[in-house]
Amino acid sequence: QVRLVESGGGLVKPGGSLRLSCGASGFTFSDYYMNWIRQPPGKGPECVAYISGSGTYTTYADSVKGRFTISRDNANNSVFLQMNSLRVEDTAVYYCARELKGWSRSSLDYWGQGTLVTVSS
Amino acid sequence: IQMTQSPSSLSASVGDRVTITCRASQNIGNYLHWYQQKPGKAPRLLIYAASSLQSGVPSTFSGSGSGTDFTLTITSLHPEDFATYYCQQTYTSPRTFGQGTKVEIK
Repeated sequence: QVRLVESGGGLVKPGGSLRLSCGASGFTFSDYYMNWIRQPPGKGPECVAYISGSGTYTTYADSVKGRFTISRDNANNSVFLQMNSLRVEDTAVYYCARELKGWSRSSLDYWGQGTLVTVSS
Repeated sequence: IQMTQSPSSLSASVGDRVTITCRASQNIGNYLHWYQQKPGKAPRLLIYAASSLQSGVPSTFSGSGSGTDFTLTITSLHPEDFATYYCQQTYTSPRTFGQGTKVEIK
């Protein structure tokens, strides 16, 4: 069965860095776009970044552009989010999610359990 | 693209019919999806492409609409349906979610 497991969250000071990982299993990883979605406490989800199956194409939210980098390792079925110059407003639960193309119109059908990132001095 | 859900919250009883609406600030065709989220859990895909039921989702859930106006309907509320519901557009980046509709027990 499809499984996504995030790791790497934690407490970091403003201006610091953190690298999130998401390990995937149960499907042909390289066939799918992958997304990072975050959800601040008590708020709705926000799309942070997504990456094509080959890793060639990436897109970022304006709020993280130039600070965050999404990448993937298809040999090891993993997707990453390198987060630099972290701000208090980056505090959120970060989810990785699998994206469906074609008739599914880029909906997100599988999500991990999330990892909490707290940015605080 | 701004996504506006209404209402922000509602109270309903088991067995009630519930309708949640989502309006896009511009035409998004059928690039609209609905998710359910329970406290401490990840969102769960219910409806994709405005009206297609995701595998494993009960048929009490349905979606309709196209262009700018969309609806999620729960024909008969079950106890496990009390949750927060979000719409999301994937027509263009940045892909945006609505602010959510919390369905509470009356």
